Amino acid sequence: GQQVMQIPQYQHVQEGEDFTTYCNSSTTLSNIQWYKQRPGGHPVFLIQLVKSGEVKKQKRLTFQFGEAKKNSSLHITATQTTDVGTYFCAGWDGGSQGNLIFGKGTKLSVKP
Amino acid sequence: DGGITQSPKYLFRKEGQNVTLSCEQNLNHDAMYWYRQDPGQGLRLIYYSQIVNDFQKGDIAEGYSVSREKKESFPLTVTSAQKNPTAFYLCASSVIGTGDYGYTFGSGTRLTVV
Repeated sequence: GQQVMQIPQYQHVQEGEDFTTYCNSSTTLSNIQWYKQRPGGHPVFLIQLVKSGEVKKQKRLTFQFGEAKKNSSLHITATQTTDVGTYFCAGWDGGSQGNLIFGKGTKLSVKP
Repeated sequence: DGGITQSPKYLFRKEGQNVTLSCEQNLNHDAMYWYRQDPGQGLRLIYYSQIVNDFQKGDIAEGYSVSREKKESFPLTVTSAQKNPTAFYLCASSVIGTGDYGYTFGSGTRLTVV
């Protein structure tokens, strides 16, 4: 079945360094969503990308959707301790009966 | 405030017992979902429902059962047939359709089998 692969699984950075997580699908996606889960918390919806090559920004976060709609990335500039958590991408597998396919997430830790 | 409520937050169960996790939403969402989260495994779909009195199996439905008698409620029963039930269970809801809307998650239930 459809899979969404996410790398890296873990990332440790020094505060102020940049961070990027990558998401790859085995098939073309209708859209892709990104979620953040703080330690001990639940996933919270961040953003959705729909168009081929789309780029969206939220303050220090930049989200990209690949031209072929099979890959996506989340880049955080100058990480802060508040960025700690696990970032999940999730792709829609198409159709009204479909549902989101989640990647396994990238766990980000930030050393002050 | 609209939201999705899961209860209890922590649950302990003896082996061989069934247990039911509650999930209620007041967002008027048609679709509801149950996920299981284990360390390093991401979110795995157990069951989902897009309309009252109908639900579909997800990737890991064995040992679980659900009901959807009301739009607002989607309880999950972890049966004694579930061989490794200790996990973090997340309920979510969304507007139905083509994935154009993000999922809203509850705060989760941590189930431990003792």
